[in-house]
Amino acid sequence: NAGVTQTPKFRVLKTGQSMTLLCAQDMNHEYMYWYRQDPGMGLRLIHYSVGEGTTAKGEVPDGYNVSRLKKQNFLLGLESAAPSQTSVYFCASRRTGGFEQYFGPGTRLTVT
Amino acid sequence: KNEVEQSPQNLTAQEGEFITINCSYSVGISALHWLQQHPGGGIVSLFMLSSGKKKHGRLIATINIQEKHSSLHITASHPRDSAVYICAASLTGTASKLTFGTGTRLQVTL
Repeated sequence: NAGVTQTPKFRVLKTGQSMTLLCAQDMNHEYMYWYRQDPGMGLRLIHYSVGEGTTAKGEVPDGYNVSRLKKQNFLLGLESAAPSQTSVYFCASRRTGGFEQYFGPGTRLTVT
Repeated sequence: KNEVEQSPQNLTAQEGEFITINCSYSVGISALHWLQQHPGGGIVSLFMLSSGKKKHGRLIATINIQEKHSSLHITASHPRDSAVYICAASLTGTASKLTFGTGTRLQVTL
């Protein structure tokens, strides 16, 4: 099993450009999460999903959109990137009834 | 004030030392997690506990629910233990969303 994978690993965007980050998991987990990690701050939840076709806002959702059309995939979109969105983005998944979250390797995004 | 606080922020130890990292939380939780973030960035779960103590190899995690405090101990530390250790709380009634501490950066030297 690959576990949780993220695509791409690195990306540089110019202000105003758009992009989509893909998270895929092969563990049949219901719950999926997108976090961002910034220096000096803990991981912060952007959006999450409790199942296929559902999404919900987390702590810092502004400027991001998400979709969960298939159970195994959770997409994070930036419609108009801003320098404040420079960060490392982590995806995680969890099975129903479990507490442990399984993390992807992260995507380092720089917006210039 | 963060709901989950960790201390210290940075820690340097010599190989073989006993290490303690502390985590305090200010709200009701259903579980407390300890995670390890490797220098390459990957994050793995070490422990999830809601009471008492858990041990895995040289790692020991404890929690005191009354005092809202948890500790992660590393016995006989080794340079390969160098990483960022993150405490996270599953807050009561939040669909198992995690609230994270800012992490403790540990460096173990020879």
